[in-house]
Amino acid sequence: QVQLVQSGAEVKKPGSSVKVSCKASGGTSISYAISWVRQAPGQGLEWMGGIIPLFETTNYSQKFQGRVTITADDSTSTVYMELSSLGPEDTAVYFCARDSGNYIDTTYFFYMDVWGNGTTVTVSS
Amino acid sequence: DIQMTQSPPSLSASVGDRVTITCRASQTINNFLNWYQQKPGKAPELLIYAASSLHSGVPSRFSGSASGTDFTLTISSLQPEDFATYYCQQTYRTFRTFGQGTKVEI
Repeated sequence: QVQLVQSGAEVKKPGSSVKVSCKASGGTSISYAISWVRQAPGQGLEWMGGIIPLFETTNYSQKFQGRVTITADDSTSTVYMELSSLGPEDTAVYFCARDSGNYIDTTYFFYMDVWGNGTTVTVSS
Repeated sequence: DIQMTQSPPSLSASVGDRVTITCRASQTINNFLNWYQQKPGKAPELLIYAASSLHSGVPSRFSGSASGTDFTLTISSLQPEDFATYYCQQTYRTFRTFGQGTKVEI
């Protein structure tokens, strides 16, 4: 059973950057897509972007375009999410999730079936 | 981006109640609709994918249905462990979007 283990909590100053890691347990190669989702305190879920390590393809939400970078290191089965120009509004829990799916007839339906434990990022002066 | 509108934002229910949560997409998403359950301090968990397919290990009291751009999550008989927040999500487009969530409370 694949598990995603994220790095620990971070406290950052406004204007700085944060890099959060997400490691697949058991040395499993990252052959599937990984998405990043964040959740501000008391708020809902917000998709930030994702990566398909096999094809080195990334997609980012327009909201975060230019501020977020998602990378993967297959040698360590780790995906990273870096967010720059942090502001207090970026205070949130950041989750990684496996973007998997299943076929129904001939259509492949995507879903996020394995989630990381979450990383709390606090932005404060 | 595709907008997902969930209703109601919250609801009060009792154990044994039948609960229905709806989600409306701003455009057609061809049943690329998932439902997740999230409990406080925890990561979301997948319940339903492709609008009506039950994810492995999810109790059969959870079900999903679709009608055009309207989607419904039904809990047939609410159990104590079902008090949580529920989110819909579209995966029709690469840029996934979630609904705002529905909190089910006592």
